[in-house]
Amino acid sequence: DAKTTQPPSMDCAEGRAANLPCNHSTISGNEYVYWYRQIHSQGPQYIIHGLKNNETNEMASLIITEDRKSSTLILPHATLRDTAVYYCIVSFNTNAGKSTFGDGTTLTVKP
Amino acid sequence: DAGVIQSPRHEVTEMGQEVTLRCKPISGHNSLFWYRQTMMRGLELLIYFNNNVPIDDSGMPEDRFSAKMPNASFSTLKIQPSEPRDSAVYFCASSLNSLLEKLFFGSGTQLSVL
Repeated sequence: DAKTTQPPSMDCAEGRAANLPCNHSTISGNEYVYWYRQIHSQGPQYIIHGLKNNETNEMASLIITEDRKSSTLILPHATLRDTAVYYCIVSFNTNAGKSTFGDGTTLTVKP
Repeated sequence: DAGVIQSPRHEVTEMGQEVTLRCKPISGHNSLFWYRQTMMRGLELLIYFNNNVPIDDSGMPEDRFSAKMPNASFSTLKIQPSEPRDSAVYFCASSLNSLLEKLFFGSGTQLSVL
């Protein structure tokens, strides 16, 4: 699986959009981009995933660049409860047994 | 659904003792995963099962660690003998057909080995 690079930490004001970047410059054509988050003292939670097209669900939006070398997770109206570690994962065959959680980005939403 | 259920929530033991962590996956899920999380190493996959059969145990750190899944609704991770460096949060997760987008985690077991 391709390696991902994320900033170690980010801050966001409550009510504003949180934009979390992920670099995956070595991604191959068949690799998906996944986002998970882990709120303190809980297990990680799936957010969203995509291959080429932008995706949106009730939790977030995923923007993948045309060359697929980077992506951005967008939380449109961040709340204090969105404070968590966000993991960007690139997975070849969507198999959780072959996917690696990196160090992630610690997002702190401030009042 | 109650989600993935792990027990105990916290475990404190002394070096050399046997530790058994338990997991009940989500009903209908046929894949089960054991992870370990530490500050130094992050979230590591230890072993995973498909249809109760171990598929990949390459993440198990050493022979002191063993995992079993005797049926579709129960799995154990055993450490014998335990060592202080085993102190970590151990997560169990289950999924439908190992799909990453269908992976659900339990609340974890905080293990402290003194």
